[in-house]
Amino acid sequence: NAGVTQTPKFQVLKTGQSMTLQCAQDMNHNSMYWYRQDPGMGLRLIYYSASEGTTDKGEVPNGYNVSRLNKREFSLRLESAAPSQTSVYFCASIPDRVTGELFFGEGSRLTVL
Amino acid sequence: AQSVTQPDIHITVSEGASLELRCNYSYGATPYLFWYVQSPGQGLQLLLKYFSGDTLVQGIKGFEAEFKRSQSSFNLRKPSVHWSDAAEYFCAVGEGYQLIWGAGTKLIIKP
Repeated sequence: NAGVTQTPKFQVLKTGQSMTLQCAQDMNHNSMYWYRQDPGMGLRLIYYSASEGTTDKGEVPNGYNVSRLNKREFSLRLESAAPSQTSVYFCASIPDRVTGELFFGEGSRLTVL
Repeated sequence: AQSVTQPDIHITVSEGASLELRCNYSYGATPYLFWYVQSPGQGLQLLLKYFSGDTLVQGIKGFEAEFKRSQSSFNLRKPSVHWSDAAEYFCAVGEGYQLIWGAGTKLIIKP
């Protein structure tokens, strides 16, 4: 009963390096989201995927790209990391808009030096 | 503009004392309202939600919240806190990818 699984949990990058955060859910949910969490700012939506094959920008998409590989997996890529992207990243999935409950992964802490 | 305000960044309460965490919102329509809890190093977990009906909603772990339309508030309460309640609490308003999040309130429990 894994729920939402994110990898890696921790990562340190140098400015300009690239990396991909992986997310997979085993609950057969249609929608998946990527958030970043910064102190005092709550959660900010980076990208979301309402269904397999679709992706859309959220509040803070600059510097990121996403891929909805299939219904289970939604990855977040940083092509050229910047110190401003130091944050904790959360993947979440939601079965449908009526239910409303988001199911979160445990987060990925990224530090960009 | 739509927004969610959690006025208290930190709250410290003694174990066994009552708790109230405040949430105020600005939203065009009657919103869906949520409280989530984040334990240290963990993801967020839903505590409770309000969609319609009875304005006093019960959640997990003994928490409840009351929706007051006239005050645009959705405050979270617990009669007696336990050390395991130490966490960060987030209020959110809206639905799906349009959820608006508060900045969070960190709850510290004094033994």
